[in-house]
Amino acid sequence: DVKVTQSSRYLVKRTGEKVFLECVQDMDHENMFWYRQDPGLGLRLIYFSYDVKMKEKGDIPEGYSVSREKKERFSLILESASTNQTSMYLCASSLKGASYGYTFGSGTRLTVV
Amino acid sequence: QKEVEQNSGPLSVPEGAIASLNCTYSDRVSQSFFWYRQYSGKSPELIMSIYSNGDKEDGRFTAQLNKASQYVSLLIRDSQPSDSATYLCAVRGRGTGGFKTIFGAGTRLFVKA
Repeated sequence: DVKVTQSSRYLVKRTGEKVFLECVQDMDHENMFWYRQDPGLGLRLIYFSYDVKMKEKGDIPEGYSVSREKKERFSLILESASTNQTSMYLCASSLKGASYGYTFGSGTRLTVV
Repeated sequence: QKEVEQNSGPLSVPEGAIASLNCTYSDRVSQSFFWYRQYSGKSPELIMSIYSNGDKEDGRFTAQLNKASQYVSLLIRDSQPSDSATYLCAVRGRGTGGFKTIFGAGTRLFVKA
């Protein structure tokens, strides 16, 4: 069964900490994405990558960075966690091309205290 | 105007009825259209994709696309309580890195036994 695996299901971090969220896919997908999902706001794109070492800002990149050193792995980094970054974080991947939908990971619920 | 609009619901239908979920989008050059199902506390799961005007059927699900009206819908026949979830409409069109997907905020569906 093909998968997008997120390293943690739940995380609790302190304000100011540097936080790493890891995502690994085994489908040889070119595109990978990081979203956050908040009640009433839906899915908001943070960053995406369409190739190794390539990254593009999404709609809400402030306070985040990403790394894609290998095709299968896409990491989201919160440089200095803040309480307004408490959210559900979803990683997704897809093949290149407009006709392909996304496969999502199971999500990481991050709480910043 | 939001780029992808859905009625937030909740939409409540009795078991066995047809559930009709609707979505409008603003970008006329959008190419691909998707429906995702998201159970409470879970990540979105791709259930349907459609690219051409008309209907596309898959089991109990039918996706309908009308590009002239910028309208896409999902019909669920013989609705079951297990269909109770939030349904996200997603539209893929212009954007960098292999086309950007815009998600609607979702419609909550309740199927009453």
